[in-house]
Amino acid sequence: EPEVTQTPSHQVTQMGQEVILRCVPISNHLYFYWYRQILGQKVEFLVSFYNNEISEKSEIFDDQFSVERPDGSNFTLKIRSTKLEDSAMYFCASTRALGGNTIYFGEGSWLTVV
Amino acid sequence: SQQGEEDPQALSIQEGENATMNCSYKTSINNLQWYRQNSGRGLVHLILIRSNEREKHSGRLRVTLDTSKKSSSLLITASRAADTASYFCATDANRYSSASKIIFGSGTRLSIRP
Repeated sequence: EPEVTQTPSHQVTQMGQEVILRCVPISNHLYFYWYRQILGQKVEFLVSFYNNEISEKSEIFDDQFSVERPDGSNFTLKIRSTKLEDSAMYFCASTRALGGNTIYFGEGSWLTVV
Repeated sequence: SQQGEEDPQALSIQEGENATMNCSYKTSINNLQWYRQNSGRGLVHLILIRSNEREKHSGRLRVTLDTSKKSSSLLITASRAADTASYFCATDANRYSSASKIIFGSGTRLSIRP
């Protein structure tokens, strides 16, 4: 079964460093998302992306965050200058179309900022 | 907010018993999805129920939706040790966004005792 894949599975970074989390959505999907989950807390929406532009973003997704689809397969989340509070599991997700289609999630990338 | 809130927050049952988890939400929805998350792992999609559906089955899973009460329930029958996980409902209420996001509830932690 096709799946969303994410790399790295775990990254430890120094505060202030830039981090890029990578995702390969399911190949025929058109809508892409990033979510995050701070340890022990709920899964929070960050951003949605369609047609090569951001569709919607949450308050969490400030100027330190950016997303990009650099080619036909990858979808990346960049955190420009990481803070301690950015430590979380980041999930990439995708769906083929709107209107009641399943949104599939990857296994996540654990980011630890020290 | 359209957030779903699961009830109970934690549930511990004997293997073989049935587990029922509830989700309530605040605004009208297009659909509601249930996900499972094993500790430290990704979100696995279980079932999607549309707003015009009242009940869906998938294997040992049964989901109901009552839009008049803005609530849904997930029933796992004949529970197994492998069902130990957190279960989340996620609602999609976007009518005009070009990339519908789903919003997660806080989850129910299910523990199956051998």
